[in-house]
Formats: sequence, C-alpha cells, structure tokens
Amino acid sequence: EAGVTQFPSHSVIEKGQTVTLRCDPISGHDNLYWYRRVMGKEIKFLLHFVKESKQDESGMPNNRFLAERTGGTYSTLKVQPAELEDSGVYFCASSHQRGNYGYTFGSGTRLTVV
Amino acid sequence: GNSVTQMEGPVTLSEEAFLTINCTYTATGYPSLFWYVQYPGEGLQLLLKATKADDKGSNKGFEATYRKETTSFHLEKGSVQVSDSAVYFCALLGGTSYGKLTFGQGTILTVHP
Repeated sequence: EAGVTQFPSHSVIEKGQTVTLRCDPISGHDNLYWYRRVMGKEIKFLLHFVKESKQDESGMPNNRFLAERTGGTYSTLKVQPAELEDSGVYFCASSHQRGNYGYTFGSGTRLTVV
Repeated sequence: GNSVTQMEGPVTLSEEAFLTINCTYTATGYPSLFWYVQYPGEGLQLLLKATKADDKGSNKGFEATYRKETTSFHLEKGSVQVSDSAVYFCALLGGTSYGKLTFGQGTILTVHP
C-alpha cells in the first residue's frame, strides 16, 4: 500500500507569507495526526483528526495555524502569516485505529521562514 | 503530563562499537514505549516498541527493555554499522496522552567506518 505522502518536501518562504502543507494519509485510515519538530528539539503533537473532525487540537501553537481535512481524506495545514519561529519539520501520520498500532509517518515537510 | 528525556547527542561511534542511547520517561498509568528512527531524507519509522513492564522490544539488532522501576527504555545495539547513522527518537503513548505520542528530543547517531 502507498504510504503517507507529504508535500512539499521543502518550503522556503518569507516572514509574513502564507504556506500550505498537505498530507495524504494511507487510504482507509480514519486517524490523521500532525506533529512538528523545531530545530534540535523534540517532536511535538499539533492535532488529531478522526475522519473530518478535529479530535484534539491542543497542540496548535496559535491561531496563525489552520488545519483542515475536508471529506476525511487528505489534510492541509496552513500557516498565515508565517513567523520565523514556525521554521521546522512538519510530520503527518495516519492510523487505522487510535493509538500507535499501525501509526505510519510521512517523510515530513521542512519549512524555513526567512 | 507526560514527558520523555533522551540522551543528548550527537553520538559518534566507530563501526562495530556498542551503542546505548538513554531514555527515561514520566507518565501516569501504564504507557507504551517506542523507539523511532529517521534516516537521512526519510520519514519517521518505528524501530521497536514495548507495551508493558519488562517487555523487550527488538528489531534490526536493536533492543530496549521497558523498566518500570527506573522509568527507562534505553536503546542498545551490540555492533553498529555505518547504515545505522540516523536520528533516534524515544516516545511514549498513553497515560494522559490518549492517541498522541510524546517524543524525546532525538539523538543524532553517526557511525564511521
């Protein structure tokens, strides 16, 4: 089966611009997660979708971040306007069941805000 | 809340050396513990896991034992290879984090021939 696909793989934008990251989960996986790793630090949870509903968005840093999952398939994470501290690697993961059993991560999007 | 503290790197070893990467955790209840690996240019891959105390996870020559008494899950490999060069993340699931992983900060491992 195809894995979790994220794109772009890299994005360099200027402070104040808007960027949209996309994640295509494994087909049939209801659970979709976004995580972020800021340079050299731990990977932190951002939010969790179950189908098209936000189950937990407690990790979203502020209202400049907007995540959607229309139709319960792919998800987008928009940052608007981007700030320097938003730079990092954004990971997406999906699973059929809640929890780690069957959790598959994408290769991540490296976002650099200059 | 949950937290994971991981040995800081980077760690640099010669091929065939013994590897230990320390990981300790704080969590309520009985979490499951994981090691993830990220090879250059790739995504996070599950390396091994343990779901209860005294379980030993193993894969590709790596091992880690879930020690509840010391709240630890140290990663070990008896003889590393150049191809093991990667970033290693310790993580937990459970306790107060229903469905989401709590990660350590990652340890960069570089193995030289």
